[in-house]
Amino acid sequence: QVQLVQSGAEVRKPGSSVKVSCRASGDSFSGYSFSWVRQAPGQGLEWMGRVIPIFGTPNYAQKFQGRVTITADTSTSTTYMELSSLKSEDTALYYCARVYSNSAYDLDAFDVWGQGTMVTVS
Amino acid sequence: QSVLTQPPSVSAAPGQTVTISCSGSSSNIETNYVSWYQQFPGTAPKLLIYDDNKRPSGISERFSGSKSDTSATLGITGLQTGDEADYYCASWDYSLTTVLFGGGTKVTVL
Repeated sequence: QVQLVQSGAEVRKPGSSVKVSCRASGDSFSGYSFSWVRQAPGQGLEWMGRVIPIFGTPNYAQKFQGRVTITADTSTSTTYMELSSLKSEDTALYYCARVYSNSAYDLDAFDVWGQGTMVTVS
Repeated sequence: QSVLTQPPSVSAAPGQTVTISCSGSSSNIETNYVSWYQQFPGTAPKLLIYDDNKRPSGISERFSGSKSDTSATLGITGLQTGDEADYYCASWDYSLTTVLFGGGTKVTVL
């Protein structure tokens, strides 16, 4: 069964950037796409974007366009999420999640989740 | 404010049934699959229902999903204290080109 293991907690100053990693083990990496979802303290879930590793093509939520970069490295089965121009409102738990799709480009569900990475902007 | 609308909380006694609604629109729920997630405090969300009404392997039959027009529903039968958690619906929105999550519903077992 696939596992997604994320990098550790980060603390950043406002205006800086952060890059979080998510390594997949135990199953095919290139056969799936991966998304990033964040959750501010005490709040709900918010989708940020996704990448299809075999194509390297990302899709981003409009809210994060221009600030987020999601990439994938098939040689290490790792996906990355980099968020720039950080603000205090970006303080949140950031999750990577494997996408379940009925066809190549669909985004139908998230069937495996990482443990989350806390990013604090202060 | 979420575009998918869920009640903030629902509650029921052990053994009873609860339903959680998720209201959307023609650009999301009506035309795309709905999924449901369970989240306990301090842990990552877990997929409960996908493709509107399918359960992943290992998910109890007590959890069920349904959809009609622009609304979806998660049902939990035989409520147990271990079901106390937050539940989220999600669906792709082709107009916004984003995945939308509901605001979440806290289930309390009385």
